[in-house]
Amino acid sequence: EDKVVQSPLSLVVHEGDTVTLNCSYEVTNFRSLLWYKQEKKAPTFLFMLTSSGIEKKSGRLSSILDKKELFSILNITATQTGDSAIYLCAAGGGATNKLIFGTGTLLAVQP
Amino acid sequence: DSGVTQTPKHLITATGQRVTLRCSPRSGDLSVYWYQQSLDQGLQFLIQYYNGEERAKGNILERFSAQQFPDLHSELNLSSLELGDSALYFCASSVAVGTSGRARGTDTQYFGPGTRLTVL
Repeated sequence: EDKVVQSPLSLVVHEGDTVTLNCSYEVTNFRSLLWYKQEKKAPTFLFMLTSSGIEKKSGRLSSILDKKELFSILNITATQTGDSAIYLCAAGGGATNKLIFGTGTLLAVQP
Repeated sequence: DSGVTQTPKHLITATGQRVTLRCSPRSGDLSVYWYQQSLDQGLQFLIQYYNGEERAKGNILERFSAQQFPDLHSELNLSSLELGDSALYFCASSVAVGTSGRARGTDTQYFGPGTRLTVL
């Protein structure tokens, strides 16, 4: 059965800290891994990773995929209170690009 | 703003009733996906449509059904509602499935704002 597991479930940090969020996956005919940020309502897209070992960066956020070990990490440096959210990881596979989501990591950044 | 719209924003209804949730994908997107998010289950894939046809099914109950219309908007119908159906229902869309009929696995799904369903 396809599954995506995220860790930790939640973490609390102080502003300025660096955090690493983990995502492991087992998905048939894996094609892509996506990271989303969910604050109040809809998940908003952060990154999509398809190639192993290539880091994607957007400001203080970066992510990398390891297709051999079947995991991805999301790094956030110099965290800010606005980074507080649930971070969702999803793996897409098969002919229909169906996404399997993890349960998310709740990040709380305290001032 | 992702470009995906969903209506209504919030629905409150009683058990046993039926509701319809509506989704308009981003302009140019042919694939529509429905998800259910509840506190204890996380984000669960329900069903996918591509250009009017069902493409994939996930954890969708028999009491639920969906369709995609020629103008590409989609509706999710939930019937015989139960308390446990209370959740956020998201619609997402992606660019396209390839001309061969196979999904382009690199398509990003963009989410609408969701409809919060409360069943009393």
